[in-house]
Amino acid sequence: DGGITQSPKYLFRKEGQNVTLSCEQNLNHDAMYWYRQDPGQGLRLIYYSQIVNDFQKGDIAEGYSVSREKKESFPLTVTSAQKNPTAFYLCASWDRGQHNEQFFGPGTRLTVL
Amino acid sequence: RKEVEQDPGPFNVPEGATVAFNCTYSNSASQSFFWYRQDCRKEPKLLMSVYSSGNEDGRFTAQLNRASQYISLLIRDSKLSDSATYLCVVNNLGHGSSNTGKLIFGQGTTLQVKP
Repeated sequence: DGGITQSPKYLFRKEGQNVTLSCEQNLNHDAMYWYRQDPGQGLRLIYYSQIVNDFQKGDIAEGYSVSREKKESFPLTVTSAQKNPTAFYLCASWDRGQHNEQFFGPGTRLTVL
Repeated sequence: RKEVEQDPGPFNVPEGATVAFNCTYSNSASQSFFWYRQDCRKEPKLLMSVYSSGNEDGRFTAQLNRASQYISLLIRDSKLSDSATYLCVVNNLGHGSSNTGKLIFGQGTTLQVKP
């Protein structure tokens, strides 16, 4: 089945630690995105990548980093510089075709202890 | 002012009711519009795209009013399974090659359908 996978589903980290969230897609989509969602709020864009080896900052990139070495993979690192990292993180890829639809992974819920 | 605004609700309605959500957007150049559905603690999923001519999918009808810059979603004959948060989503860059696919999300409207 084609889709997007994210791991882990739940993640706990101590303050001051970096942590990397995985996102893999087998939909053959060029574009991939990372969003953050806080309770009662909409999704906010962290980083996005239009193509392999290229990525751009979204609206709230501070304290985060990404890489795009393979088309299928777009990992997100939450660094210790991120002031409020506890949130629900969603990865998406984009079908530029007929439906112009973004497909989302199941998300990773990060909690900083 | 937020780029995409929705009434967060919650909207509490009985089964079988008709319920309507509105959403306003601030950028008059916005090109593409969507409604996504998000269940509790799950990822959003596309419910329907919204076209200028309006579109219908079963019990769901979406309308776009460009002059007033608002989008609506109408749900008829509500089911318990319709309980979810409905996200209004806008893409400002249309369908051309310059479109990066960046989406702008409203905060969502929560619907609770009661038996």
